[in-house]
Amino acid sequence: EVQLVESGGGLVQPGGSLRLSCAASGFTFSSYWMHWIRQVPGKGLVWVSRLNMDGSITTYADSVKGRFTISRDNAKNTLYLQMNSLRVEDTAVYYCARAGLPYSTSHWFDPWGQGTLVTVSS
Amino acid sequence: EIVLTQSPGTLSLSPGERATLSCRASQSVSSSYLAWYQQKPGQAPRLLIFGASSRATGIPDRFSGSGSGTDFTLTISRLEPEDFAVYYCQRYGSSPSFGQGTKLQIK
Repeated sequence: EVQLVESGGGLVQPGGSLRLSCAASGFTFSSYWMHWIRQVPGKGLVWVSRLNMDGSITTYADSVKGRFTISRDNAKNTLYLQMNSLRVEDTAVYYCARAGLPYSTSHWFDPWGQGTLVTVSS
Repeated sequence: EIVLTQSPGTLSLSPGERATLSCRASQSVSSSYLAWYQQKPGQAPRLLIFGASSRATGIPDRFSGSGSGTDFTLTISRLEPEDFAVYYCQRYGSSPSFGQGTKLQIK
């Protein structure tokens, strides 16, 4: 079964840091672009970042550029999101998601993890 | 930046009825790079449609997608009780983006 499981969310103060992890199983992790998408509870979906198969190409939404870093460890089948200089407006459920096809930039998202909640508050 | 606008914001229908959800792009979406997702409360989104009209694996054939250019539609032919949820369209490309969602609720 193809599965993504996020961890690492929690409560952090403004200006703080947090690292999210996404453990992948059931597919050849190193063959897919991977993404992070976030959702403020009760609101819509916002794409955050993506990373290619070997980790050499990254793209970020303007709202997180310079503060968040996406990375991966293909030996551990794990995706990461390092979040620094966190702001109250970064509060959201963070989902990792796999690109729809291997070796492809066809960036629909399937599947998604269950999400991990990040709360930025003093 | 291409903005996706979904309508209506809320759609109230009864089981067995037909649902038609719209997604309009501010500029043409190339190569039908348009997907649809379903999200139920407390759950992650689930892919329904990609390439504007291709059903994802395991999606019932009552779900269909159509459209091109700037106007796309998700149709649910006969609503089942489990179909009441929020639906999002998504443009995929260099900077993926989502519509704001349509809530499909029981009338």
